Amino acid sequence: NAGVTQTPKFQVLKTGQSMTLQCAQDMNHEYMSWYRQDPGMGLRLIHYSVGAGITDQGEVPNGYNVSRSTTEDFPLRLLSAAPSQTSVYFCASSSTDFASVTGNTIYFGEGSWLTVV
Amino acid sequence: AQKVTQAQTEISVVEKEDVTLDCVYETRDTTYYLFWYKQPPSGELVFLIRRNSFDEQNEISGRYSWNFQKSTSSFNFTITASQVVDSAVYFCALSGGDYSSASKIIFGSGTRLSIRP
Repeated sequence: NAGVTQTPKFQVLKTGQSMTLQCAQDMNHEYMSWYRQDPGMGLRLIHYSVGAGITDQGEVPNGYNVSRSTTEDFPLRLLSAAPSQTSVYFCASSSTDFASVTGNTIYFGEGSWLTVV
Repeated sequence: AQKVTQAQTEISVVEKEDVTLDCVYETRDTTYYLFWYKQPPSGELVFLIRRNSFDEQNEISGRYSWNFQKSTSSFNFTITASQVVDSAVYFCALSGGDYSSASKIIFGSGTRLSIRP
């Protein structure tokens, strides 16, 4: 059981380039989300999805796009990379089974380190 | 709007001391969930506990304990007899309790805990 898988783990981009961070989960979770982590800022929610075909903006959505065509995949697109987007990105998924002990507990990927120069 | 405040940016204690990490939250929801996550130096995010707003019983798991008080909107985390391996950044988080809001989990800025030998 792989859990949440993110690729790539490390990436260097030039300002203005675009790229996609891939995220896949094999736990049949309905919820998926993307966070960025900057020093001293904790984790901030970029975009999230409650199911295939449904996405919504989080706290810091500007400069990012997402889509959710399948339950398993939730890619994050950087449209035109800027140095301010240098960060560690975490993809996450969680279930809607609120009755279980872990319910909507988030399971995180290992993170993607992105540097924009 | 939901908000999580971890006022303690950094804490440093000597091994075997007890230490409490504070978490104060704000929400207008009557049903909500609270979480604690640990991020060791290796960078992954490790789930520690999930608590719903209707369960104010304190939780103990080995050396870890959690004190949830709705009257003060706090969900504090205590480590008893701390060990060097407890050194990490600890995040408190909050989500709503319905199908849509439960997918939007907001994190505090984290508390960096250092345990000195």
